[in-house]
Amino acid sequence: KQEVTQIPAALSVPEGENLVLNCSFTDSAIYNLQWFRQDPGKGLTSLLLIQSSQREQTSGRLNASLDKSSGRSTLYIAASQPGDSATYLCAVKANAGGTSYGKLTFGQGTILTVHP
Amino acid sequence: EAQVTQNPRYLITVTGKKLTVTCSQNMNHEYMSWYRQDPGLGLRQIYYSMNVEVTDKGDVPEGYKVSRKEKRNFPLILESPSPNQTSLYFCASSLLPDRLGSDEQFFGPGTRLTVL
Repeated sequence: KQEVTQIPAALSVPEGENLVLNCSFTDSAIYNLQWFRQDPGKGLTSLLLIQSSQREQTSGRLNASLDKSSGRSTLYIAASQPGDSATYLCAVKANAGGTSYGKLTFGQGTILTVHP
Repeated sequence: EAQVTQNPRYLITVTGKKLTVTCSQNMNHEYMSWYRQDPGLGLRQIYYSMNVEVTDKGDVPEGYKVSRKEKRNFPLILESPSPNQTSLYFCASSLLPDRLGSDEQFFGPGTRLTVL
């Protein structure tokens, strides 16, 4: 059974810092990995999607990497801003063909606070 | 605008009173899914559907039903709600991986359900 772990559970940084959020998963047979942002009481906003054959994806100040063989992904946020404060969730998608096809298994999330 | 919509956004009901949460997407996605989010347990999949008239159980299907009569709609039905179904519910959709285009999963805004 796939398990996804995110470290740290919470992180508080001053504005302007670069930071790294970590995600690890136990079963490397994934189809892809997706990073989401969730604001309090709100839905999930997709940030980056990395296919299993890719090593990294970038969008603006965000960069996500994937090392499938070691079961790890990192989300790098450059020059953090107070507006980046949210919960960041990592989710892996099961491979096609299995009974769990398409299902996203989520980590518990990292609560990020960026203070001015 | 491409989106997943859910209704209602908030619902307070009593034990045993049947309810339906609707989900609709306008992106012509084959794959649709329901998740529930609970503190300390994260997001867990309830049911999913890979196309019209094709549905299957996720990790926590007990007490829920779904139907997929049309491609765009995937309602979640609670025949006899109980207090342990108090949760935040999310509907999600994506393309299947063998289709052209990204299989990024998109989430609705969430439905906060309280069962008294």
